[in-house]
Amino acid sequence: AQKITQTQPGMFVQEKEAVTLDCTYDTSDPSYGLFWYKQPSSGEMIFLIYQGSYDQQNATEGRYSLNFQKARKSANLVISASQLGDSAMYFCAMRADSGGYNKLIFGAGTRLAVHP
Amino acid sequence: DTAVSQTPKYLVTQMGNDKSIKCEQNLGHDTMYWYKQDSKKFLKIMFSYNNKELIINETVPNRFSPKSPDKAHLNLHINSLELGDSAVYFCASSYEEPRGRTNTEAFFGQGTRLTVV
Repeated sequence: AQKITQTQPGMFVQEKEAVTLDCTYDTSDPSYGLFWYKQPSSGEMIFLIYQGSYDQQNATEGRYSLNFQKARKSANLVISASQLGDSAMYFCAMRADSGGYNKLIFGAGTRLAVHP
Repeated sequence: DTAVSQTPKYLVTQMGNDKSIKCEQNLGHDTMYWYKQDSKKFLKIMFSYNNKELIINETVPNRFSPKSPDKAHLNLHINSLELGDSAVYFCASSYEEPRGRTNTEAFFGQGTRLTVV
């Protein structure tokens, strides 16, 4: 069964510091994609970054980077130089190919609070 | 221009009523979804349509009936609303061709907060 686990219900970080949000996944499919989404208090879901299972390099998008460790089945999100506007819920998600259509499955989320 | 728009944003209704939530995407995507986010913020897929065809139907009570008149629209109708249906419902869309691709992100609507009283 495919599963995403986020073990940190809440994290806080000082403004301008870096923070790592943990995500581990479980799948037997060789081809899969890992995603991070941000949900601010306003409620919308914002796509942040993607990592493919066959990608050799870790994904980066601006201040976001993904620490992908395939053997450990982890895909941690690193936010550098945190800003107050980074305070939000963060969801790790996975899309796995099951020989046809697939779906995004989500972890329970981590609430990040950035302190000034 | 809103990519995925859903209406209404808020819906308060009494138990036993029937209500609908509408969703439209202007991204040219071929696949649309309904997700439910419960009070603990957990997101779970309910349905998925590809080119108007139902392709994913999770274990959802049959009081929930999705309808896709065309690939840009996916509506959710809920009959006989119950207190436990209170949640935020998200519509999303993505481009799935070729089938089974895993590198396609889903774009989400703003969510509809449904409160059943």
